[in-house]
Amino acid sequence: NAGVTQTPKFQVLKTGQSMTLQCAQDMNHEYMSWYRQDPGMGLRLIHYSVGAGITDQGEVPNGYNVSRSTTEDFPLRLLSAAPSQTSVYFCASSLTTDLNNQPQHFGDGTRLSIL
Amino acid sequence: TQLLEQSPQFLSIQEGENLTVYCNSSSVFSSLQWYRQEPGEGPVLLVTVVTGGEVKKLKRLTFQFGDARKDSSLHITAAQPGDTGLYLCAGARGSWGKLQFGAGTQVVVTP
Repeated sequence: NAGVTQTPKFQVLKTGQSMTLQCAQDMNHEYMSWYRQDPGMGLRLIHYSVGAGITDQGEVPNGYNVSRSTTEDFPLRLLSAAPSQTSVYFCASSLTTDLNNQPQHFGDGTRLSIL
Repeated sequence: TQLLEQSPQFLSIQEGENLTVYCNSSSVFSSLQWYRQEPGEGPVLLVTVVTGGEVKKLKRLTFQFGDARKDSSLHITAAQPGDTGLYLCAGARGSWGKLQFGAGTQVVVTP
């Protein structure tokens, strides 16, 4: 019963480095999204995807790229890491975009520090 | 600017006491969700309220959606240490998958 799996759990980067945060779900969910969680600010939507081949920007997309080549995977790429991107990143998935009636399942997060 | 304001930010009570967490906004939402998050884990959905004035009960937890669908509250009766966690509210507008989260209320229940 894997659900939403995020890797790595922890990562430390230097300013300017790039990396990819992995997210996979095994529930055949169409809707996937990435959030960042910072103290006192709740979760903010970075990017989301309504299906394979379709992605769109959320509230705070700058500095991040995403792609959705398969239904299962939704990686988040940091192009050139900055200290302001130090955060906890969560991936979530749901059967459809109708979150009024469908539960959203979250992974356990990736804790990212940029030095 | 936080679209959804949660209060209080922090709540520390003793086992057996009651508590209420509030989630307020000037905007109308099609639904409001409540999550609980424990350290090192992702948020877990507790309930979704959809209809204005709706009240849902989940064992000792009571959730209410305001008549105007702009606010919600979470009431815990006879809190237990296992209720400790960060409680997050999130509002949906329409069916397009975007949620607006509040900053959260950290609840600590001591034995």
